[in-house]
Amino acid sequence: EPEVTQTPSHQVTQMGQEVILRCVPISNHLYFYWYRQILGQKVEFLVSFYNNEISEKSEIFDDQFSVERPDGSNFTLKIRSTKLEDSAMYFCASSESWGEAFFGQGTRLTVV
Amino acid sequence: EDKVVQSPLSLVVHEGDTVTLNCSYEVTNFRSLLWYKQEKKAPTFLFMLTSSGIEKKSGRLSSILDKKELFSILNITATQTGDSAIYLCAVSGAGSYQLTFGKGTKLSVIP
Repeated sequence: EPEVTQTPSHQVTQMGQEVILRCVPISNHLYFYWYRQILGQKVEFLVSFYNNEISEKSEIFDDQFSVERPDGSNFTLKIRSTKLEDSAMYFCASSESWGEAFFGQGTRLTVV
Repeated sequence: EDKVVQSPLSLVVHEGDTVTLNCSYEVTNFRSLLWYKQEKKAPTFLFMLTSSGIEKKSGRLSSILDKKELFSILNITATQTGDSAIYLCAVSGAGSYQLTFGKGTKLSVIP
């Protein structure tokens, strides 16, 4: 069964460092998303991406964040200068249209 | 601002019990309501509901939407220990691709 894959599963980084989280969406899907879940809190929307551009972003997604589709399969989230409060589980998701989004297993980001 | 409220926040039942999880929402120009199951990590898709009164069913799980009263329920019959998870409800509005999630209901099924 096709699935969204994310790497790495866990990343530890020092405050102020840049991190890149990687995702391979389901191959025939056209819409891509990043969500995050701080421990014990709700899943929160960060950004959606369609047709090689950001279609929507939340107020969490500030200038420290960027997304890219560097080739036909990968979708990345970059955090330029990590802060302690960026520690969270980051989920990539994809969907064929506006309907159900399928989530990857997540990358646990720990900023120390 | 879109809002999703789930109840109860946690629930402990015995195997074989039937449970009902609730989700109420406020969203501008409602488009869909989705249920997900979150075990260790990723939310796993269960159902998407767009129309009132039409029950969606998958095995022991079923869900229905009431767009007039702005809520949905997720029923699980004959619960098993493998049903233990956090059940998430999310909504989307027309013209938006983002999902707004509730805090989830943590279901624990004990033998």
